[in-house]
Amino acid sequence: DAGVTQSPTHLIKTRGQQVTLRCSPKSGHDTVSWYQQALGQGPQFIFQYYEEEERQRGNFPDRFSGHQFPNYSSELNVNALLLGDSALYLCASTGQAFSYNEQFFGPGTRLTVL
Amino acid sequence: DAKTTQPPSMDCAEGRAANLPCNHSTISGNEYVYWYRQIHSQGPQYIIHGLKNNETNEMASLIITEDRKSSTLILPHATLRDTAVYYCIVRVAGSSASKIIFGSGTRLSIRP
Repeated sequence: DAGVTQSPTHLIKTRGQQVTLRCSPKSGHDTVSWYQQALGQGPQFIFQYYEEEERQRGNFPDRFSGHQFPNYSSELNVNALLLGDSALYLCASTGQAFSYNEQFFGPGTRLTVL
Repeated sequence: DAKTTQPPSMDCAEGRAANLPCNHSTISGNEYVYWYRQIHSQGPQYIIHGLKNNETNEMASLIITEDRKSSTLILPHATLRDTAVYYCIVRVAGSSASKIIFGSGTRLSIRP
């Protein structure tokens, strides 16, 4: 079992550009959440996808959008990048059928906006 | 805002038990205490969770006070690989797969 995988590992973009990050959940998991972690801070919840729909959303602007595919993988899209979007973006997966839904995190994508 | 309070940093000698405290005085009856840790530049890793009874697994032990307002994560024999930021989180368990609200955590340093 490969666990949660994310791609790419690192990414450098310039202000105003758009970026797409990808996540494959752990085998057997159907729910994917995305988090943003700025340097020196704890991760902050962006949104969660289940059954290809956004189920919960944190306090992030509409520039942040996502998608979940039938195979449960997910994408995070960020438009009109700002310098403040530079962060580690984490994907976490869990299963709706699990009693305690401990979430399994991927290694993250490090995004740098110049 | 996070519903827990943790010391920003702690250190522990290698081979000794590391005891990480957490206050969650506003915890609700249906909320569990979860612990995650994050080793530098990696994603957070689930450690353990509990409701009101003490819990133990292969990684750690969790001691929850009787009034559930605080807890302690115990790493029985700390090694250098346990150096990480440890997050104490309270959240509802169950099939709703609720989001995790992280605080600032405790940065644990293990000294040789």
